[in-house]
Amino acid sequence: AQSVSQHNHHVILSEAASLELGCNYSYGGTVNLFWYVQYPGQHLQLLLKYFSGDPLVKGIKGFEAEFIKSKFSFNLRKPSVQWSDTAEYFCAVFSSGSARQLTFGSGTQLTVLP
Amino acid sequence: DAGVTQSPTHLIKTRGQQVTLRCSPKSGHDTVSWYQQALGQGPQFIFQYYEEEERQRGNFPDRFSGHQFPNYSSELNVNALLLGDSALYLCASSLEVLTGGPHEQYFGPGTRLTVT
Repeated sequence: AQSVSQHNHHVILSEAASLELGCNYSYGGTVNLFWYVQYPGQHLQLLLKYFSGDPLVKGIKGFEAEFIKSKFSFNLRKPSVQWSDTAEYFCAVFSSGSARQLTFGSGTQLTVLP
Repeated sequence: DAGVTQSPTHLIKTRGQQVTLRCSPKSGHDTVSWYQQALGQGPQFIFQYYEEEERQRGNFPDRFSGHQFPNYSSELNVNALLLGDSALYLCASSLEVLTGGPHEQYFGPGTRLTVT
């Protein structure tokens, strides 16, 4: 069964600091990769996605992620965080094999201090 | 363009009761997936409906069942509620154009179920 690991449960940063959230998955076949964000009191929103092609993908609000196939990783980055980035971030993997389900990591709570 | 909608927003039930949650997919979408998100955890896949049939199922007991209607809306039913069923239940919709093709899901706001 596929699984997704997010290494950091809670990250606290000051505004303007750089962000990198780790995500590793276990599945050897073709995958679609996602980062979702859940702002306080709001529903899950898609931040960015990787289907194929350029492994460096850009999403909304200045976020980007890099797919490294050899490391089964899809880390999320942002050069300079803002207070409004405070939220929970979820990495998710969809495999086109028999599972065909979206598997989420346990999430990383990001707190940005003003 | 309406996004994914879910009802009700909140629900309080007693152990042993049954509950039905509802979901309307994003306009143009034909596939609905249901997830359970316990506090402090990521969403866990319950099942997916396509063409009114359950296509995939996660590791959830038979107490969890669902239905998809011809208009693509869906219901999630949970029987014999347990305290551990307290969670946020999320519905997500997608468009299944090609099996094995790219798959992007749009999530609704969820239904917060509390079992006492």
